Amino acid sequence: QVQLVQSGAEVKKPGSSVKVSCKTSGGTLNNYAIAWVRQAPGQGLEWMGTIIPVFGSANYAQKFQGRVSITTDGSTTTAYMELNSLTSDDTAMYFCARAEMLRWNFDLWGQGTLVTVSS
Amino acid sequence: QSALTQPASVSGSPGQSITISCSGTSSDVGNYNLVSWFQHHPGKAPKLMIFEDSKRPSGVSTRFSGSKSGTTASLTISGLQAEDEADYYCSSYAGSRTLIFGGGTKLTVL
Repeated sequence: QVQLVQSGAEVKKPGSSVKVSCKTSGGTLNNYAIAWVRQAPGQGLEWMGTIIPVFGSANYAQKFQGRVSITTDGSTTTAYMELNSLTSDDTAMYFCARAEMLRWNFDLWGQGTLVTVSS
Repeated sequence: QSALTQPASVSGSPGQSITISCSGTSSDVGNYNLVSWFQHHPGKAPKLMIFEDSKRPSGVSTRFSGSKSGTTASLTISGLQAEDEADYYCSSYAGSRTLIFGGGTKLTVL
């Protein structure tokens, strides 16, 4: 059974950056849409952006424009989400999720990565 | 990009049916047949319950159903069970390869 395996928890200082990875345990991510979603403490799910590797570039929520970058590696087995200029408001659980391209049915999720931003 | 509107909480007794609404606009919910519903237990990954407005993924109980009218989508859970207690989120494709979530609804099984 294919899984998405995310990198481990991170503790970061304000103003720094974090890069979270999301690796598929089988096949590639090439023909899928990969989204990054976060949930801050006590808050709801928040879409950050999506990449469809066959299309190349990613699309981002306006809130994160200029501060987030979503990429895949050359083999398209791993997706990355990098968030810059971290503040305490970025403390959250970050999830990656996979959907069939153009169907937006995110049925496979990573286990989540807790990012804590603290001085 | 404003969040889709969901009630903050709903409740029901075991065996009853409940419906959670998800209100959007003509730019998202009303423009695409791409509303999804997720069940989320805190600390776990969200689980897809409904996609493309009303389709159930394999393995999801038939007690869960989705519908849509205009710019409002709905999730109905029939035969409520204790294990259904969770947070529920709707999402919609919003064009230009963007996605929008609802604020979430906490379901309490009394």
